[in-house]
Amino acid sequence: AQTVTQSQPEMSVQEAETVTLSCTYDTSESDYYLFWYKQPPSRQMILVIRQEAYKQQNATENRFSVNFQKAAKSFSLKISDSQLGDAAMYFCAYRVQETSGSRLTFGEGTQLTVNP
Amino acid sequence: DAGVTQSPTHLIKTRGQQVTLRCSPKSGHDTVSWYQQALGQGPQFIFQYYEEEERQRGNFPDRFSGHQFPNYSSELNVNALLLGDSALYLCASSRLAGAGGNTIYFGEGSWLTVV
Repeated sequence: AQTVTQSQPEMSVQEAETVTLSCTYDTSESDYYLFWYKQPPSRQMILVIRQEAYKQQNATENRFSVNFQKAAKSFSLKISDSQLGDAAMYFCAYRVQETSGSRLTFGEGTQLTVNP
Repeated sequence: DAGVTQSPTHLIKTRGQQVTLRCSPKSGHDTVSWYQQALGQGPQFIFQYYEEEERQRGNFPDRFSGHQFPNYSSELNVNALLLGDSALYLCASSRLAGAGGNTIYFGEGSWLTVV
């Protein structure tokens, strides 16, 4: 079974600084997708960034970028120039394509606090 | 373009009762998944519906059942409620089950409290 581990229950960062959230996963699949979701107090899951395992290039979305290390099964999220609005719970998630369908497997989350 | 909508947003039930939660997928989406998120934890996959059939199921008892209608909307039913069923229930929609890379959109969830 696939598992996703986020070893940092809580992280904090000063506004305008950079923070990195860690994620590791376990899978025997070679083709899969990885995601970072943000869940603010409103509780709605918002997609931050996604990475296809077959792509070597790390994904980037504005201030958000990932460090994808396939051999190490590591998928960290870097937030640059942190803003107060970035404060939220962040979840790392894994998804593999199967003939019957697909599901997201989530980590336990990292609560990010942004200090002014 | 409406996103994923869920109802009700909050509800309180008594142990042993039954509950039905509803979800309308984002326009153009044909696949609906349900997740349970207990307080302080990551969401756990319950099941996924495509073409009105349950395609995948997570590690949840038979008390959890669902349905997908021809218009792609979906219901989650939980029978014989337990205190441990108290959680946020998230509905997610996407296009084409099995397409692992398609973006999944989530609703705002239904908060269920069992007393």
